Amino acid sequence: DIQMTQSPSSLSASVGDRVTITCRASQGIGNYLAWYQQKPGKVPNLLIYAASTLQSGVPSRFSGSGSGIDFTLTISSLQPEDVATYYCQVYNSAPQTFGGGTKVQIK
Amino acid sequence: EVQLLESGGGLVQPGGSLRLSCAASGFTFRTYAMSWVRQAPGKGLEWVSAISGSGGSTFHADSVKGRFTISRDNPKNTLYLQMNSLRAEDTAVYYCAKGLQQWLVVDGFDIWGQGTLVTVSS
Repeated sequence: DIQMTQSPSSLSASVGDRVTITCRASQGIGNYLAWYQQKPGKVPNLLIYAASTLQSGVPSRFSGSGSGIDFTLTISSLQPEDVATYYCQVYNSAPQTFGGGTKVQIK
Repeated sequence: EVQLLESGGGLVQPGGSLRLSCAASGFTFRTYAMSWVRQAPGKGLEWVSAISGSGGSTFHADSVKGRFTISRDNPKNTLYLQMNSLRAEDTAVYYCAKGLQQWLVVDGFDIWGQGTLVTVSS
């Protein structure tokens, strides 16, 4: 099974900062990588799929990159409403493993 | 509007059984793979089970293999998760989730239900 390692597990940044979250797969997964945002007490929401495709309705300050093993989610200018936990997920085969999550807070 | 509505959660004793349902609407249910994902209190997301659009292919996480069974009734637009031999560590909110693209067997998830809480405790 493919393991997904996310880092950092938490971060604190100021409004307007550029924030980067990384996800590393234990083996190559092409671009079969999705990113989800889960706000406190809410249901997960798809942000990006196919590693870099922005889901409809998601603000353009979110972007994804990477292929193969290493992937990145970037928030270009952190906003207060971005406080959430972010998860990566591999979906090239079952099990569709999630990363451990990155909790993003405002400094 | 695409919607998923889970039901069937509740309190069950260790070793007991429960069947979760997920009623889908707003899309051609039979053409999308569906999954169950759970989240233990204060923990991260854990993929549990997946099923192809036809129901012919199913997948389960090692942690539930042999105890949980995913199925679907396409004419009724409903997804199920039969959970047997429940353990305390199965306590979680269970979400059903819709595959992103038609016809793929394994996929990311673009729509999630609100979740149903399963508590395993004596």
